[in-house]
Amino acid sequence: NAGVTQTPKFRVLKTGQSMTLLCAQDMNHEYMYWYRQDPGMGLRLIHYSVGEGTTAKGEVPDGYNVSRLKKQNFLLGLESAAPSQTSVYFCASSLASGRMAQFFGPGTRLTVL
Amino acid sequence: AQSVTQLGSHVSVSEGALVLLRCNYSSSVPPYLFWYVQYPNQGLQLLLKYTSAATLVKGINGFEAEFKKSETSFHLTKPSAHMSDAAEYFCAVSDIYKLSFGAGTTVTVRA
Repeated sequence: NAGVTQTPKFRVLKTGQSMTLLCAQDMNHEYMYWYRQDPGMGLRLIHYSVGEGTTAKGEVPDGYNVSRLKKQNFLLGLESAAPSQTSVYFCASSLASGRMAQFFGPGTRLTVL
Repeated sequence: AQSVTQLGSHVSVSEGALVLLRCNYSSSVPPYLFWYVQYPNQGLQLLLKYTSAATLVKGINGFEAEFKKSETSFHLTKPSAHMSDAAEYFCAVSDIYKLSFGAGTTVTVRA
């Protein structure tokens, strides 16, 4: 039981490049989330999904897109990376409802030059 | 909108001393509150959660938190700090879909 896994662990991009971060969970959770963590700002929600085929905007969605084609996977895309998107990205999942505990992946450290 | 405020971005304690991390919440409905811990270079893991069943909530690693409606607070405590408690701690409040996190409090433990 791997829990929540994230791919890749580290990535360096140049401004304007695109990339996709992959999150996978093997706990049959309905809800999945993408956060970014920046010093002194806690975790801020980018997008979330309450089930396969659904997505919704969080607090800081601009510049990101997501897809949830399969229940176990939640993809985060950056179409044209900017230095302001340099951050640590965390994926999380919960069984159902935001009121249940979330399980977090190990994070992806992204640097945009 | 629901939100939490963590008072103090850094806390330094001696090994064996009380750890007290402060969190105040704002919510128009009975809140669901959480404390998470993040060790260096890791993801967050749940310490404890409040879901209105009891005002004093016990979590992992000897931590506990007390819900005080009159003070809109959910402070985290541990009677005796251990070196392994050095980490960043986040308070969070949830609505039906998602969590909103505080800015975090970094705990350092002095030998």
